[in-house]
Amino acid sequence: DGGITQSPKYLFRKEGQNVTLSCEQNLNHDAMYWYRQDPGQGLRLIYYSQIVNDFQKGDIAEGYSVSREKKESFPLTVTSAQKNPTAFYLCASSIRGGDQGPQHFGDGTRLSIL
Amino acid sequence: GESVGLHLPTLSVQEGDNSIINCAYSNSASDYFIWYKQESGKGPQFIIDIRSNMDKRQGQRVTVLLNKTVKHLSLQIAATQPGDSAVYFCAENPRSGNTPLVFGKGTRLSVIA
Repeated sequence: DGGITQSPKYLFRKEGQNVTLSCEQNLNHDAMYWYRQDPGQGLRLIYYSQIVNDFQKGDIAEGYSVSREKKESFPLTVTSAQKNPTAFYLCASSIRGGDQGPQHFGDGTRLSIL
Repeated sequence: GESVGLHLPTLSVQEGDNSIINCAYSNSASDYFIWYKQESGKGPQFIIDIRSNMDKRQGQRVTVLLNKTVKHLSLQIAATQPGDSAVYFCAENPRSGNTPLVFGKGTRLSVIA
């Protein structure tokens, strides 16, 4: 089945450590997105990529980094500069960025601090 | 900046009744709207969408209404079931360049059996 796979489902980070969240899609979508969701809150955009080898900052990019070397993959690194990383992280993709069509989501990675 | 918000953060409905979840948007240029359902511990799931050239669209047990005059969007769920309990988000395409969807904060729907 086509879809978006996020891994791991749960992740723990130590102080000063960088961690990388994986997001893979086999939907042949051009655009991919990373969101952060805090308890009882909506989705806040971290980074997005409309095409391979290109990405843009979202509303809360500080302390995060991404790469888009392959169409199907859009990993997110939570760096030690992100002082409050505990959250639920959601990856999404859409056929084309900025075009009219829904984003499809993975089932998220929950990141906690040790 | 533009924002998408919701009138009610929580909604409790008796099983079998109809549910109405509301959403206000502020960008009059937005031309595409989506409703998502998010269950606990999972990612948002697409329910239904509507383009600005329509004012109503129906799916299976769900109807989305768009009132562009007052910039209001609603999701109606017919014969609400316990499995409908979730958080519901609206999202809009602000149509300002190639920008991603803008999401509202969500409404939690609780179905009382």
